[in-house]
Parts: sequence; C-alpha cells; structure tokens
Amino acid sequence: DVKVTQSSRYLVKRTGEKVFLECVQDMDHENMFWYRQDPGLGLRLIYFSYDVKMKEKGDIPEGYSVSREKKERFSLILESASTNQTSMYLCASSLWGTSGTGELFFGEGSRLTVL
Amino acid sequence: AQSVTQLDSQVPVFEEAPVELRCNYSSSVSVYLFWYVQYPNQGLQLLLKYLSGSTLVKGINGFEAEFNKSQTSFHLRKPSVHISDTAEYFCAVRRRSGGYQKVTFGTGTKLQVIP
Repeated sequence: DVKVTQSSRYLVKRTGEKVFLECVQDMDHENMFWYRQDPGLGLRLIYFSYDVKMKEKGDIPEGYSVSREKKERFSLILESASTNQTSMYLCASSLWGTSGTGELFFGEGSRLTVL
Repeated sequence: AQSVTQLDSQVPVFEEAPVELRCNYSSSVSVYLFWYVQYPNQGLQLLLKYLSGSTLVKGINGFEAEFNKSQTSFHLRKPSVHISDTAEYFCAVRRRSGGYQKVTFGTGTKLQVIP
C-alpha cells in the first residue's frame, strides 16, 4: 500500500515563526501536493510538484513556499506564520500521466495552530 | 476551468436508512470523477472512481455512484448506512488529458449517522 507520512500531526506556533511541514511518500510517485483544508471551503491546492526540484503554484500559494530535493520528500514552508494560516494541511501524492488516473494518496494531515 | 458543487454541507440520516450525497460538476473537457472519504482526524482516502465504461461504479464499504453525463452529476449512494459511515465525503474531478491534470474538490458533505 502507498504510504504518505506527514511528520507532525499537531503543531502550535507563534506569529512570525518559520514553520516546516514535511511529507514523505514511499511509492515512487512523481507528483506531490500540498492542500489546505478549512471548514466550508473544502481542499484548496497550495503548491504541487511533478518532479524533483520542480514546483508549480496552486490556487492559494501566497505566504507559502515548497521544497522538493528528493523524489520522496516534499516540504511546505511558512516563512513567517500568521494567524490566518491556522488550518489543516494535507500532503498527497499520485502517479503521473497515463500510468495513473490522478488518484491521490493522502497523509493523515498536520493541524497547525498559529497564536 | 472545472468546478465541483456539493450542495449539501451536512446530511443526517438514521442508521440502516439509505443515503444519497449529491455532486455536480462543470468542465469543458472530459473528466475523471472521484469520491473520497475523510474519517475524523484522518486524511482522505479513495472511496470510488469513474474512469470510463459502466456509469455505475461500486466502491468500498458498500458505496456506489452513478455518472450522469447529461446532468453532469456523480451522486454517491448507499442502501443502508452504519454508524461507522459517519465521516466527511468529498467529490472531485480531474480532466483526462492536457498536461498536468489538476484535481478540483468540492466543499464536502458531512454525513452524520444517527443511532
């Protein structure tokens, strides 16, 4: 089974702190994604990556950056956390192109609270 | 552009009763369709998917969905729900071709099964 592991389930940070959210997948998937989940808004795509060192902005990239130095690892970075970034963050991975249908495999989520 | 509408944010239903969760989508091209389920404090997992062929798709845990192209709908159904089905359900679409195929999610429907 595909396993997507997010390093922290719960984090509490202060405004202005730098925050790292780590995600690792073990199925050699090309694509990796970071979503933000808020009540009533569903899942919104922050950034995605289709290859090592490649990244593309999603729908709400402002205030976030990402890093993909290795195929299995995709990090989300909040350079200066703000209270409006309090949310659930979900990492996902998928196969690319005709070898996959785009089915997403999700981690268990990281719930971030910014005080 | 593509979009997904889940009109019902919450659906309460008594145990052993049938349920239907509604999903309508909009897209200018052909799409794949998905339903994901999220149990409390967990990530999302795939419930079922429509790729092609039969418009009635069966998934895990006794759920099924029917693709209706003319009505651009992909409603999820279960003939008899259990307490363990209490969760949030997300409909999603992804276009079939054309570079990176972004997955768009609906805002979710919370299914509450009442004993």
